[in-house]
Amino acid sequence: GDSVTQTEGLVTLTEGLPVMLNCTYQSTYSPFLFWYVQHLNEAPKLLLKSFTDNKRPEHQGFHATLHKSSSSFHLQKSSAQLSDSALYYCALNTGNYKYVFGAGTRLKVIA
Amino acid sequence: GPKVLQIPSHQIIDMGQMVTLNCDPVSNHLYFYWYKQILGQQMEFLVNFYNGKVMEKSKLFKDQFSVERPDGSYFTLKIQPTALEDSAVYFCASSPGPRNTLYFGAGTRLSVL
Repeated sequence: GDSVTQTEGLVTLTEGLPVMLNCTYQSTYSPFLFWYVQHLNEAPKLLLKSFTDNKRPEHQGFHATLHKSSSSFHLQKSSAQLSDSALYYCALNTGNYKYVFGAGTRLKVIA
Repeated sequence: GPKVLQIPSHQIIDMGQMVTLNCDPVSNHLYFYWYKQILGQQMEFLVNFYNGKVMEKSKLFKDQFSVERPDGSYFTLKIQPTALEDSAVYFCASSPGPRNTLYFGAGTRLSVL
């Protein structure tokens, strides 16, 4: 079946260091991937999503590349900021109404 | 951007009573969802709804839960009767169609006493 795996529950980083949050998926059909970010006491918001033409989506310094060969859509940023501290969800849509969310990775950026 | 509104933001209720959580989705959206998030834990899928019908529901969507969207008005989640373990933040989300972004509301915090 369709599934999303986020292996890290908590990632703690010092400000200025690079960020990489892992996301792998299993998909029955052609996958469409999303990253959502949820700050404390707020609703999840779209951070970025994969393109059908293999362009690399970017937003607020974050980027992710869909690699179908390895079934991955890892989230990266070159330099972490304190304001990046949040819960990050990777999500999969397989072309219908169904969205499968990963367990989420909590990113904690410290000074 | 598009806004999903949830009313109320916080609801306190005694165990065993009925509660209805209201969601005003983005006007041209066709697919509607409810998610549950217990404090400090991950967000979990409850149910999705399209064209007046439940398309899929999870194991968390107990028999005491029901959803409806009468005549294109609010998309509601009703819990009757409530239990202590129903205490959580409930997020509503909507989407215009397949492969589109899910837009989430700010959530309703339900406290069952």
